[in-house]
Amino acid sequence: QQQVKQSPQSLIVQKGGISIINCAYENTAFDYFPWYQQFPGKGPALLIAIRPDVSEKKEGRFTISFNKSAKQFSLHIMDSQPGDSATYFCAASKGRSGGGADGLTFGKGTHLIIQP
Amino acid sequence: NAGVTQTPKFRVLKTGQSMTLLCAQDMNHEYMYWYRQDPGMGLRLIHYSVGEGTTAKGEVPDGYNVSRLKKQNFLLGLESAAPSQTSVYFCASRILGTGGYEQYFGPGTRLTVT
Repeated sequence: QQQVKQSPQSLIVQKGGISIINCAYENTAFDYFPWYQQFPGKGPALLIAIRPDVSEKKEGRFTISFNKSAKQFSLHIMDSQPGDSATYFCAASKGRSGGGADGLTFGKGTHLIIQP
Repeated sequence: NAGVTQTPKFRVLKTGQSMTLLCAQDMNHEYMYWYRQDPGMGLRLIHYSVGEGTTAKGEVPDGYNVSRLKKQNFLLGLESAAPSQTSVYFCASRILGTGGYEQYFGPGTRLTVT
């Protein structure tokens, strides 16, 4: 049973456009929702994260929108640049409710290409 | 700080051989994790550790064993490698408690089992 579903699998956006990646989760015990960015041959790196007590978090060109009732969250990349071309993973964990040590449950990833 | 390092970077094994992957972190993190990444599957948790001497199973633990004898090191062992264990393995660590949940990942080990 896939607990975090991510779409689309791949995405092509023109430079300067908005990239949008969506995720849906099933486990209501999840209370921490990060997005990771991964470049080829590298490990994932945290991009931005949100807790369910807020509906939106913005850091520079990156925004997470969170809808607790729908159990969905999304990543928006504004003014997308060729350097943003990478694979993006959404994830979730139980955080405090799980004792704070639980690992992350990842979506399957989105391969994003920004065309110049 | 080197952060999270993994040894080796690449390895080819024959079916039935054994090996140990080493993860080391210099951030004094309590929690450490092993994930595997397969094409189109995202990352899946194999085992994790909440402190020296303690380990727990994750989502896909079968065929793997782990040990955390020192706080800074987390070892992943394959006793009898199978082609299904061909994957990229990532180690991660994070601080103790609820103050921050960011996991820091290593660069990965690409393992091929023939």
